[in-house]
Amino acid sequence: GAVVSQHPSRVICKSGTSVKIECRSLDFQATTMFWYRQFPKKSLMLMATSNEGSKATYEQGVEKDKFLINHASLTLSTLTVTSAHPEDSSFYICSARDQFSHGYTFGSGTRLTVV
Amino acid sequence: GENVEQHPSTLSVQEGDSAVIKCTYSDSASNYFPWYKQELGKRPQLIIDIRSNVGEKKDQRIAVTLNKTAKHFSLHITETQPEDSAVYFCAASIGASGTYKYIFGTGTRLKVLA
Repeated sequence: GAVVSQHPSRVICKSGTSVKIECRSLDFQATTMFWYRQFPKKSLMLMATSNEGSKATYEQGVEKDKFLINHASLTLSTLTVTSAHPEDSSFYICSARDQFSHGYTFGSGTRLTVV
Repeated sequence: GENVEQHPSTLSVQEGDSAVIKCTYSDSASNYFPWYKQELGKRPQLIIDIRSNVGEKKDQRIAVTLNKTAKHFSLHITETQPEDSAVYFCAASIGASGTYKYIFGTGTRLKVLA
C-alpha cells in the first residue's frame, strides 16, 4: 500500500531557531500534499495545501512567512517552522494524495517542542 | 466557511456493545466522507469511507451511513473490543473531484471497557 514517510518524528529546538519537517511519498507520486497541525486531544487543523511546482495555499489564519512550504518534487514536501516559539509546539502531520488514485495517506507525524 | 461537527466528543461503552458516532457537514457539494482512527501519538488510519452516491457501507464490524438530505453521516461499530479504543475523526471533502481537501470533525474519544 501507499507509504508516506515523515521526518523527524520528534524534535526539540530553542526559541528563535527554525525547524524543517520532511514529508516523502515512498511508492507513489503526490502532486498534492497537505500539512496539518494537531493540538493535544484536538482535531486535525489543515494549515496549507502544498502543490508540486507552485506556491502553497494557506488556510485562513496561518502565517505563510512563518510556516514555509516547499514542494519541489512529486515525492517530497517540506514544512519549515521559522523563528519558532513555544506556542508553535504541536504535532504536525502531512498527508499525500496519490496523483493517479487520488487516495490520501498520512505521514507518521512530527512532535515539535520549542523550549 | 465549511465545517464538520462531530458528536459525542467522548464515548464509553462496555465491551461487546455498539458505538455510534455522528457527524454533520455544511457543504452540500461534499461527496466523499472518510473515517479515521487515531491511536495516541500515531498517524490517522483510514478505516472506512463512503461516497455520496450510496447510503450505507459495511466492512465487518464497522459501518457508515450517509443522509445527504440532512447532511449527516455516522460511524457504527458493533461488538466493540478494547482495541477499538482510540480517537475517531470523520471528514468531508471540500472542492472539486481530484483537487479536493478534507475538513475534519473535532474527534470522538472512544473507550471500550473490558
